[in-house]
Amino acid sequence: EDQVTQSPEALRLQEGESSSLNCSYTVSGLRGLFWYRQDPGKGPEFLFTLYSAGEEKEKERLKATLTKKESFLHITAPKPEDSATYLCAVTHHRGASGSRLTFGEGTQLTVNP
Amino acid sequence: DTGVSQDPRHKITKRGQNVTFRCDPISEHNRLYWYRQTLGQGPEFLTYFQNEAQLEKSRLLSDRFSAERPKGSFSTLEIQRTEQGDSAMYLCASSSPDRDNEQFFGPGTRLTVL
Repeated sequence: EDQVTQSPEALRLQEGESSSLNCSYTVSGLRGLFWYRQDPGKGPEFLFTLYSAGEEKEKERLKATLTKKESFLHITAPKPEDSATYLCAVTHHRGASGSRLTFGEGTQLTVNP
Repeated sequence: DTGVSQDPRHKITKRGQNVTFRCDPISEHNRLYWYRQTLGQGPEFLTYFQNEAQLEKSRLLSDRFSAERPKGSFSTLEIQRTEQGDSAMYLCASSSPDRDNEQFFGPGTRLTVL
């Protein structure tokens, strides 16, 4: 069974203070690793898909990287509007269940001005 | 831009009542997914459809839960004889045939069972 563990559970940063969020995964036959952002009371918003170790993707102040065991979401010079819960999820190649996303519990990020 | 829409956004019901939620996916998306999310947790998969065919159901989906997508467009999720443990956010997502790993979520339906 696929497992995703995110750390830390919560992170408080000052505006401009760069940091990283971690997503460790156990998947037999990784198909994709996904990062989502979720604001309170809203659905998750898609950020990135990573498919293979060594891959990197960037969007504004966010950069996602992938190894064979974990992914990092690097936040450079964050702003208060980056405050949200960041969710990591995986899919696998095994049959009909391969399309389901298995999520971690998320990291709640707060950026103080 | 018409993203995934869900209706209602909030539902309060009494234990034992039946409820039904609706999801309208992005128009060209052939896959539709249902997830459930409780406070402080990540979403948990319930079921998904490819066109009108229901391809997978999680063991979380008890006999009281049923989902349909009769014409391969919108979908409904019904919960019969609701229990307090059913209180959660019910999320719908959809994906396109050429980028089926990228699921786009709706705003969710917040269910409270009293």
